[in-house]
Amino acid sequence: SQQGEEDPQALSIQEGENATMNCSYKTSINNLQWYRQNSGRGLVHLILIRSNEREKHSGRLRVTLDTSEKSSSLLITASRAADTASYFCATDGTSNTGKLIFGQGTTLQVKP
Amino acid sequence: DAMVIQNPRYQVTQFGKPVTLSCSQTLNHNVMYWYQQKSSQAPKLLFHYYDKDFNNEADTPDNFQSRRPNTSFCFLDIRSPGLGDAAMYLCATSLSGGETQYFGPGTRLLVL
Repeated sequence: SQQGEEDPQALSIQEGENATMNCSYKTSINNLQWYRQNSGRGLVHLILIRSNEREKHSGRLRVTLDTSEKSSSLLITASRAADTASYFCATDGTSNTGKLIFGQGTTLQVKP
Repeated sequence: DAMVIQNPRYQVTQFGKPVTLSCSQTLNHNVMYWYQQKSSQAPKLLFHYYDKDFNNEADTPDNFQSRRPNTSFCFLDIRSPGLGDAAMYLCATSLSGGETQYFGPGTRLLVL
């Protein structure tokens, strides 16, 4: 079964607005990652947050992690039409299996 | 630029006709992954190699095989493609397991 559940499944906003996506997971983790996927393309890594971190920033991206609630959020500030994509969270678990398990993703549409 | 390359970008095959998808990397990463992604779904891990060690997912059909002849190359063989195998196939690499993964652009497989 999928480790990550993402919410919402789809999000439509106007350019300039902020977009927030949430991810919940089931087991303990070493880290949680967020990826972006443009339609018909491969995934691009956005940010990795470790289990001992609570918040991380990268440009217009802000990621939070709450290990007690087993949840994470990705905030994109001042969104642009080019941010239109699907966003996936992925967790590694603590079993050191070497693999990531991806959530179902949030499809973000930013209208110009 | 260091990268993950997948060839071809689009592959058309006939029902039951073996097909091989290829992936190469210039990152010198230890781990290589193959994912299957169907429309509007999360990537599903098929298997991965940690160096030469092959790790198959329990629910990966026997129809799917993989080879990693050296660090740089990894192949996905589909022995007898069915209509249900039509999907995007994504290759990814990481330096070590559970860390950031770098994805290729994917190969979209169409089965006629």
